[in-house]
Amino acid sequence: LAKTTQPISMDSYEGQEVNITCSHNNIATNDYITWYQQFPSQGPRFIIQGYKTKVTNEVASLFIPADRKSSTLSLPRVSLSDTAVYYCLVGDVVGNTPLVFGKGTRLSVIA
Amino acid sequence: KAGVTQTPRYLIKTRGQQVTLSCSPISGHRSVSWYQQTPGQGLQFLFEYFSETQRNKGNFPGRFSGRQFSNSRSEMNVSTLELGDSALYLCASSLGAGEKTFFGQGTRLTVV
Repeated sequence: LAKTTQPISMDSYEGQEVNITCSHNNIATNDYITWYQQFPSQGPRFIIQGYKTKVTNEVASLFIPADRKSSTLSLPRVSLSDTAVYYCLVGDVVGNTPLVFGKGTRLSVIA
Repeated sequence: KAGVTQTPRYLIKTRGQQVTLSCSPISGHRSVSWYQQTPGQGLQFLFEYFSETQRNKGNFPGRFSGRQFSNSRSEMNVSTLELGDSALYLCASSLGAGEKTFFGQGTRLTVV
């Protein structure tokens, strides 16, 4: 299973763009990258998923360089409600292995 | 479309008892996974079911078991409860391999 490494915590002011980088040096060819957001006492919420290059949806962008050994979740203009733990996961597209969560990044947005 | 539904939301049990938690996946989803979340260990994978068959299993003792029914609904059971089993138990469902996985709100189990 590809292991992921993320910063333990980050702080940001409201209105700023936040970039959280995840390292996954031993990512395999069949692996895709997924990010989840979790608020206290709630289940993780799917944010975005990608395989390579750039993916954008209504809440975030995901940048994946050509070597795929890292990825960056970009949250535009964060608000206080974006304060949460963000998890980067790597899983194979065939589904042979379960999603493995690391410690995540605790993002605190300050007014 | 309803999301992943877990029941009950909160539960208090005594050491030595057993407990059954229920999960109804999103309609059409055939894969159901269970996770345990504690402050110390984070989110840990318990097991995954697909079409009533256990496809993957995490590193938990045999006291933790699960099953999936023909309608994809799933249950997990914990026997001989220990204080350390107190946790948020999360169920997740997806259409299948490589598809987006959606989580329920969880069941908060407290063992006293």
